[in-house]
Amino acid sequence: EAQVTQNPRYLITVTGKKLTVTCSQNMNHEYMSWYRQDPGLGLRQIYYSMNVEVTDKGDVPEGYKVSRKEKRNFPLILESPSPNQTSLYFCASSLSGRVRVPNNEQFFGPGTRLTVL
Amino acid sequence: QKEVEQNSGPLSVPEGAIASLNCTYSDRVSQSFFWYRQYSGKSPELIMSIYSNGDKEDGRFTAQLNKASQYVSLLIRDSQPSDSATYLCASKGYGQNFVFGPGTRLSVLP
Repeated sequence: EAQVTQNPRYLITVTGKKLTVTCSQNMNHEYMSWYRQDPGLGLRQIYYSMNVEVTDKGDVPEGYKVSRKEKRNFPLILESPSPNQTSLYFCASSLSGRVRVPNNEQFFGPGTRLTVL
Repeated sequence: QKEVEQNSGPLSVPEGAIASLNCTYSDRVSQSFFWYRQYSGKSPELIMSIYSNGDKEDGRFTAQLNKASQYVSLLIRDSQPSDSATYLCASKGYGQNFVFGPGTRLSVLP
């Protein structure tokens, strides 16, 4: 089954304790992305990756790191989490990051609800 | 800052009616536009994508794009209670990032 998986689905942690949220897709997609979703603010892009070893900042990259060593995986790293990073996080992938590519929808993972105390 | 704006709602329509959802975007070079549906606590799922001016129909859904007015809309015909969800509008330009609106909450009343 074609899918995007994220782990963990729920996480409660404390300020400053490094954490990693994993994301994996099995569709051989080039483009992967991380979003956070907060009430009233919608989905905001944190980082994205056009392909292996190619990553770039989205609209809200502060406090986050990513890496893309393999095509299927795109982990999100919070080196020193703070309470303002409490949010619902989604990983997404699509065939390509180029515009006007047919069937280039983003597939979203199930989400990770993170609470930083 | 590129922005996509939507009326947050809630938009309430009776079952069987047409629901009209609207979206405006600020980046004139945006090329691709997407409508996603998101049920509470779930991940977004794509309903329609549209790249060219005009209408695009898929079943009960019609997306409309007017690049001169920087306006995208989604019409849902014969609305069903199962259509009750938050609808997200997104745009993508020649840059590689997607920009999402805050979403419009739709409630279809039986």
